[in-house]
Amino acid sequence: DIQMTQSPSTLSASVGDRVIITCRASQNINRWLAWYQQKPGNAPKLLIYEASNLESGVSSRFSGSGSGTEFTLTISSLQPDDFATYYCQQYNSYSGYTFGPGTKVDIK
Amino acid sequence: QLVESGGGLVQPGGSLRLSCSTSGFTFSSYWMIWVRQAPGKGLEWVANIKEDGSEKFYVDSVKGRFTVSRDNVKNSLFVQMSSLRDEDTAVYYCARGGRAGLGDYWGQGTLVTVSS
Repeated sequence: DIQMTQSPSTLSASVGDRVIITCRASQNINRWLAWYQQKPGNAPKLLIYEASNLESGVSSRFSGSGSGTEFTLTISSLQPDDFATYYCQQYNSYSGYTFGPGTKVDIK
Repeated sequence: QLVESGGGLVQPGGSLRLSCSTSGFTFSSYWMIWVRQAPGKGLEWVANIKEDGSEKFYVDSVKGRFTVSRDNVKNSLFVQMSSLRDEDTAVYYCARGGRAGLGDYWGQGTLVTVSS
């Protein structure tokens, strides 16, 4: 099974900061990596698919990169609405999608 | 729109059936997904099911205990959960499997509590 890790687990930042979250897969997943945002009490929201493609309607301040086993999510200029928990998810095979443990972005 | 129902309190070893009623899209054209989140914890992919129900996949921790199914006439998704354990306590979300089966539309979740 493919295992996912994320770093950091918690990130304290200020409005306007550039934020980078890293996700690593235990084996090569090519570019089959998605990013979700989740706010307390709400369902997750898909932000990015195939490592770097922005889902329709998602702000361009979100961007993704990477391939193989290492990926990043970047928020170019953190906004108040962006304080949330972010999860990566690998989808290398329909037989088992796996989420990372999450990165909580909170206010410094 | 996706609306889950069927959650509640169940004793360890018990069973529960969750439903997800959908509208606003052609249900039979999409994979569907169950994802759960234990209280204060992260997301866990539980299972998915192909458009016609011919393929189903499960996370190892629920294999042999959970069965996912769908009714393409009633536009509904189900998961039958048996031999429930304390660690199955979670909010269970259903989601539409859009691009490559990723969850692009989600329900609000239903809470399952396994406790004696």
